[in-house]
Amino acid sequence: DTAVSQTPKYLVTQMGNDKSIKCEQNLGHDTMYWYKQDSKKFLKIMFSYNNKELIINETVPNRFSPKSPDKAHLNLHINSLELGDSAVYFCASSQGGAPAPLHFGNGTRLTVT
Amino acid sequence: GESVGLHLPTLSVQEGDNSIINCAYSNSASDYFIWYKQESGKGPQFIIDIRSNMDKRQGQRVTVLLNKTVKHLSLQIAATQPGDSAVYFCAESSGFQKLVFGTGTRLLVSP
Repeated sequence: DTAVSQTPKYLVTQMGNDKSIKCEQNLGHDTMYWYKQDSKKFLKIMFSYNNKELIINETVPNRFSPKSPDKAHLNLHINSLELGDSAVYFCASSQGGAPAPLHFGNGTRLTVT
Repeated sequence: GESVGLHLPTLSVQEGDNSIINCAYSNSASDYFIWYKQESGKGPQFIIDIRSNMDKRQGQRVTVLLNKTVKHLSLQIAATQPGDSAVYFCAESSGFQKLVFGTGTRLLVSP
């Protein structure tokens, strides 16, 4: 009964490859997010979708393309992976409207070699 | 620009002590603040939140204090337990559900 689940948990790949991370939430929330956590544990928002519509895009390279097929899913596709993309990527969801806590998944550790 | 930071990167306490984790924020327009706990290998877990129209909010063993005058936020954990050991993040929002996170404080609780 995991609330926010992302797959895979670990992803090791070589520079130049294309990879995807999937996220699903069963909380009935209408807003989903992708956050990136670097090696110093700093968490930074990348994207936010509300009811499948992109509402936040934080100066992320266009090699990163989020896709939301429905409001319970938000996937992240990354083209031409670079060493600097190595990080832990977290998916989160919340109920839009009034400020509310984000519920996070357990992260996908991406290592680019 | 917006920034949220923490004064202490690591806080070491004895089991049973009270812990205080501090956070400074710079965006005076922020109206929602939240504390998260992150254990190793897991995602951030919600602890407690507070809106800018309040200056104190209590939960189970935790209290958040907000001082808007000096743009300061703190998390107090009563009777700290080894299971409280984790990295703690403050975050603030000024709307659009965009949470800006601080750099994190590691809490180490020794038995």
